[in-house]
Amino acid sequence: EVQLVESGGGLVQPGGSLRLSCAASRFTFSTYWMHWVRQAPGKGPVWVSCISGDGSVTRYADSVKGRFTISRDNAKNTLYLQMTSLRAEDTAVYYCAKAGGSSGMDMDVWGQGTTVTVSS
Amino acid sequence: QSALTQSASVSGSPGQSITISCTGTSSDIGGYNYVSWYQHHPGKAPKLIISDVSNRPSGVSDRFSGSKSGNTASLTISGLQAEDDADYYCSSYTSSGAWVFGGGTELTVL
Repeated sequence: EVQLVESGGGLVQPGGSLRLSCAASRFTFSTYWMHWVRQAPGKGPVWVSCISGDGSVTRYADSVKGRFTISRDNAKNTLYLQMTSLRAEDTAVYYCAKAGGSSGMDMDVWGQGTTVTVSS
Repeated sequence: QSALTQSASVSGSPGQSITISCTGTSSDIGGYNYVSWYQHHPGKAPKLIISDVSNRPSGVSDRFSGSKSGNTASLTISGLQAEDDADYYCSSYTSSGAWVFGGGTELTVL
């Protein structure tokens, strides 16, 4: 069964940095786009970023552009999200998700998420 | 990019059918057939149940169906079962090259 496991969340002060990881298994990681999606308490999910299979193309939501960097290490089957200049509004559960579905434009496998709390 | 609009909650009895709507704009739902629906039991990983407006991934019950008309997408769940009690989110690709989600609908199976 395809599996995604996020890690790296925690409590960080405003202005601080954090790097999230997503370990992928049981699929050919390097051939799929990957996404980060976050969900604040009591809110709907919000798309954060995505990256192509070879890592050459990245996209970001306007709310994180210039502060977050998505990357991947295909040799390690791992996706990353480097987060800097963190704000209280970045507090959320962060999920990684594999691109898929019949067109490849959906997110067909998700991890269980890692919690990021930005607070002093 | 504004979130897609979903009703906050819906309820139904076992065996009944319910429909959840998701309203966007011509820049997202109305412009692309890339609407998906996710089921989320709190504390677990979200699950894709409908892709590309109306396609069911392998293993998803045929009690789940999706459709779209103009800027509004819909998810119908027929023959409600206790395990359908969950949060449901719609999502669409957008003209800005991003994805947008709905605020979610909490389904209660009475």
